[in-house]
Amino acid sequence: GENVEQHPSTLSVQEGDSAVIKCTYSDSASNYFPWYKQELGKRPQLIIDIRSNVGEKKDQRIAVTLNKTAKHFSLHITETQPEDSAVYFCAATTPSNDYKLSFGAGTTVTVRA
Amino acid sequence: DGGITQSPKYLFRKEGQNVTLSCEQNLNHDAMYWYRQDPGQGLRLIYYSQIVNDFQKGDIAEGYSVSREKKESFPLTVTSAQKNPTAFYLCASSALSSYNEQFFGPGTRLTVL
Repeated sequence: GENVEQHPSTLSVQEGDSAVIKCTYSDSASNYFPWYKQELGKRPQLIIDIRSNVGEKKDQRIAVTLNKTAKHFSLHITETQPEDSAVYFCAATTPSNDYKLSFGAGTTVTVRA
Repeated sequence: DGGITQSPKYLFRKEGQNVTLSCEQNLNHDAMYWYRQDPGQGLRLIYYSQIVNDFQKGDIAEGYSVSREKKESFPLTVTSAQKNPTAFYLCASSALSSYNEQFFGPGTRLTVL
């Protein structure tokens, strides 16, 4: 099955700086890559996603890039704010795998004021 | 918030007892999922169902059981065979296709006393 690795496991940034989280996947047939944000004690919520036919997608301060050749995708958060502090999960899905999501282990992002 | 609910929010169980966690959705989604979340380990799939009266094991199904008698409901039973059941349990649902967001419930925190 699909294996998703996520780095780093923790990330501390100064408010206003950028944060980058990287994920690699193993199955070249994966075609959908969502990113979820989970605040402490809350449910994960989708913040951005990208399909395999797109190389980059942006939504205000967050962007995701996908490199299908290298099988990795990254989340970029610019101008970080304290409310960006959370755990971020990447995921990948493959149609042949019953559309199940395979999640990375998560990155705990702390934005220092 | 997403139309998927879980109950109870907190659950305490004595060793040797079975407990059932509730998950209900009103999103008319075909697919439903149960995940277990432990610190630093991301989301691990326990069971999933794509249609009423059918379900499949995920990566860590041992010690758990599910049923899918109605489209809206996907209860999870944590049996006494689960050796380390203390965790945060998340239910999710989605439409059945490659590019559809999984919506998560608020979670149930199970503690074994």
